[in-house]
Amino acid sequence: GQQVQQSPASLVLQEGENAELQCNFSSTATQLQWFYQRPGGSLVSLLYNPSGTKHTGRLTSTTVTKERRSSLHISSSQITDSGTYFCAMEQGGSAKLIFGEGTKLTVSS
Amino acid sequence: DMKVTQMPRYLIKRMGENVLLECGQDMSHETMYWYRQDPGLGLQLIYISYDVDSNSEGDIPKGYRVSRKKREHFSLILDSAKTNQTSVYFCASSQTGTSDYTFGSGTRLLVI
Repeated sequence: GQQVQQSPASLVLQEGENAELQCNFSSTATQLQWFYQRPGGSLVSLLYNPSGTKHTGRLTSTTVTKERRSSLHISSSQITDSGTYFCAMEQGGSAKLIFGEGTKLTVSS
Repeated sequence: DMKVTQMPRYLIKRMGENVLLECGQDMSHETMYWYRQDPGLGLQLIYISYDVDSNSEGDIPKGYRVSRKKREHFSLILDSAKTNQTSVYFCASSQTGTSDYTFGSGTRLLVI
């Protein structure tokens, strides 16, 4: 089946530093999205980015479909950015959204 | 207010008991999902439902079954719960063909 791999598994930053999260997928992705989960909370969609570069606020995602990778850049990280970030993709037009294992981000003051 | 509601939020069951997790959405989304989340494993898809009585297995369906008799309601059933089914269960919904996914707050199930 299709695989989604994320790196790093965890990341610790000082407030104000930038974060770079990576996602690699095993085949052509459709519906590539980044999600955020607050500790103990639910998931919210951050960015839908099946190809190219998308921005929202301090977040930038770049997906290179041919190279089967996507990245999420968080600029000037804040303590409230702490949580787990997931990359997810749809499995072959089935509407089955498959998730990576996540990157746990910790931002400290 | 568009949302996905899961009940109950917390549940403790003994091994061998039956478990019913309920999920509702008020957006008339056609597609609904059940995932489980375990530490270090991300979210694993248990079942997907494309509409009423149109369900399909995900990656880990063994030990689970689902029921969708109304578009707005999707249930996950564990017949004879096992301790390895202790997990956090998330329900989600989406409008088919869109990138709009909404997740519930999760049900934390402990099987002892």
